[in-house]
Amino acid sequence: EVQLVESGGGLVQPGRSLRLSCAASGFTFDNYAIHWVRLVPGKGLEWVSGISWNSGSIGYADSVRGRFTISRDNAKNSVYLQMNSLRAEDTALYYCTKDIGLMMKFYFDYWGQGTLVTVSS
Amino acid sequence: DIQMTQSPSSLSASVGDRVTIACRASQSISRHLNWYQQKPGRAPKLLIFTASTLQTGVSSRFSGSGSGTDFTLTITSLRPEDFATYYCQQSYTIPPAFGQGTKVEIK
Repeated sequence: EVQLVESGGGLVQPGRSLRLSCAASGFTFDNYAIHWVRLVPGKGLEWVSGISWNSGSIGYADSVRGRFTISRDNAKNSVYLQMNSLRAEDTALYYCTKDIGLMMKFYFDYWGQGTLVTVSS
Repeated sequence: DIQMTQSPSSLSASVGDRVTIACRASQSISRHLNWYQQKPGRAPKLLIFTASTLQTGVSSRFSGSGSGTDFTLTITSLRPEDFATYYCQQSYTIPPAFGQGTKVEIK
């Protein structure tokens, strides 16, 4: 069974940092691209960032580029999202999602349950 | 960036009804359009990909159609478990934008 388990969320002050983790199991992790998608209160789903199977291709939404960094460790079946200079508008439920292939095709076929990030003073 | 617009934003329907949700892209995306269902407190679930292909395990009451800029999700004979929010999403180019969602509520 495919499982994606996010962790690392919490309450953080504006300007501070947070690192999210996604632990994957139930599939051959290094055969798939992985993404972070967030559910923004009152706004819906927003793609944040994605990474290909070998980290050779990485993408970011304009709203987070330069502040967030995605990475993966295939030996640990994990993906990470380092979030710096956090803003109130980054408040959201962050989901880890699996793509359907090695490269970023943007078909999200499995999702974790999410980890909540709240940015507030 | 490509913008995705869904209509309506919400609708009320009864069990057994046929429901149609529209999704429009700001430019042509061929058939690179996916539909997701999200229930409160649950992760989104992929229902349909490439405009009309049903994801494994999804009920045949769900169907998708369209190409270019205009797409439709249809639910025939609505069931209690179908009350949820539905999102379209383009997978044509980066960034992969979602529509704002359509909430299907019980009448």
